[in-house]
Amino acid sequence: DQQVKQNSPSLSVQEGRISILNCDYTNSMFDYFLWYKKYPAEGPTFLISISSIKDKNEDGRFTVFLNKSAKHLSLHIVPSQPGDSAVYFCAASVRDFNKFYFGSGTKLNVKP
Amino acid sequence: DAGITQSPRHKVTETGTPVTLRCHQTENHRYMYWYRQDPGHGLRLIHYSYGVKDTDKGEVSDGYSVSRSKTEDFLLTLESATSSQTSVYFCAISDKGRNEQFFGPGTRLTVL
Repeated sequence: DQQVKQNSPSLSVQEGRISILNCDYTNSMFDYFLWYKKYPAEGPTFLISISSIKDKNEDGRFTVFLNKSAKHLSLHIVPSQPGDSAVYFCAASVRDFNKFYFGSGTKLNVKP
Repeated sequence: DAGITQSPRHKVTETGTPVTLRCHQTENHRYMYWYRQDPGHGLRLIHYSYGVKDTDKGEVSDGYSVSRSKTEDFLLTLESATSSQTSVYFCAISDKGRNEQFFGPGTRLTVL
């Protein structure tokens, strides 16, 4: 049973608007969350992370929000750019175990 | 970019044949991982290593074995390949305490 779920396989957004990608998890022991971005024919690259002691982390155009009570995190991209078109994976871990569980990914298409 | 290479990058093989995929890193990271990526499943952990000769199973380890005889190399072996092991395989590394993983470029394996 998947412990990390991304229920939207795809998302289409106009350039300049906000992209919101969602992720849900079931394991309350997860205390560290990450987002990765993946272009076709390449490996995923780390984007942004958040610890469970925070509810928000921001890095430039990218912000991750964590709602522990709902076991939900989201990635906001503002403003969206065509180069952001990629598959986005969320991942979760219990920090001390250094082992990660990934969602199934959301394919973002940013239209010019 | 983290120094991770995977070989081969593409391979076509027949059912029942043994296959070995190699991951090589130049970062001296302690942790190494093998994932497979399949549509609808995202990235699933096969095996990981937390040091030389120290390995453990992931979510989908059946039919796979691994070995790590030196820090820089992590080998994934399919003893007798099956069509269900057709997938894209990614190696990743991480340095304990940082938590984010760095991924290799992937190996596309087709089992006929």
